[in-house]
Amino acid sequence: QVQLVESGGGVVQAGRSLRLSCAASGFTFSTYGMHWVRQAPGKGLEWAAVISDDGRNQYYADSMKGRFTISRDNSKNTLYLQMNSLRAEDTAVYYCAKDYSGSGSCPDYWGQGTLVTVSS
Amino acid sequence: QSALTQPASVSGSPGQSITISCTGTSSDVGSYNLVSWYQQHPGKAPKLMIYGVNKRPSGISSRFSGSKSGNTASLTISGLQAEDEADYHCCSFAGSSTWVFGGGTKLTVL
Repeated sequence: QVQLVESGGGVVQAGRSLRLSCAASGFTFSTYGMHWVRQAPGKGLEWAAVISDDGRNQYYADSMKGRFTISRDNSKNTLYLQMNSLRAEDTAVYYCAKDYSGSGSCPDYWGQGTLVTVSS
Repeated sequence: QSALTQPASVSGSPGQSITISCTGTSSDVGSYNLVSWYQQHPGKAPKLMIYGVNKRPSGISSRFSGSKSGNTASLTISGLQAEDEADYHCCSFAGSSTWVFGGGTKLTVL
């Protein structure tokens, strides 16, 4: 079955960087796009970024452009999110999620999330 | 990329039906039949309940159904059960390889 396991969250000072990882299993990772979605405490979900199956194309939400970088290593079945110049408002649980079909559908499977807390 | 609009909370008694709305714009919900709904219990990951406006993934109860009219999508849960109490989130493709979610709706089963 599909498994997505995020790691790399923690407490970080404002202005610093953090890299999140997501280990995937149970499906052919290299044939699916992958998303990062975040959820601030007590808030709704916020789409952050997506990367194509081959890693060549990345797209971001406006609020994350220029500071966040999504990447992947298909040889390791792993997705990454590099977050720079972190702000207090980036405090959230970060989920990785598998693209449903490549045709614009929202993600289907989600990991359990990793909490990032940015202290000011 | 403004969030889709959902009611903050809805409630219903066991056995009743409830409907949660998700209002977007002509750039997202109104333009694509690519609306999904997720159920999220506290501290858990979101679970896909509806995709493509009205399709259910394998294993999802037929008590859950989806629809869309113009810029508003809806999730209906019939025959409410205690375990349906959770947060529900809508999601829509917004074009140009971007997606948008709603603010989430807390469902309380009375």
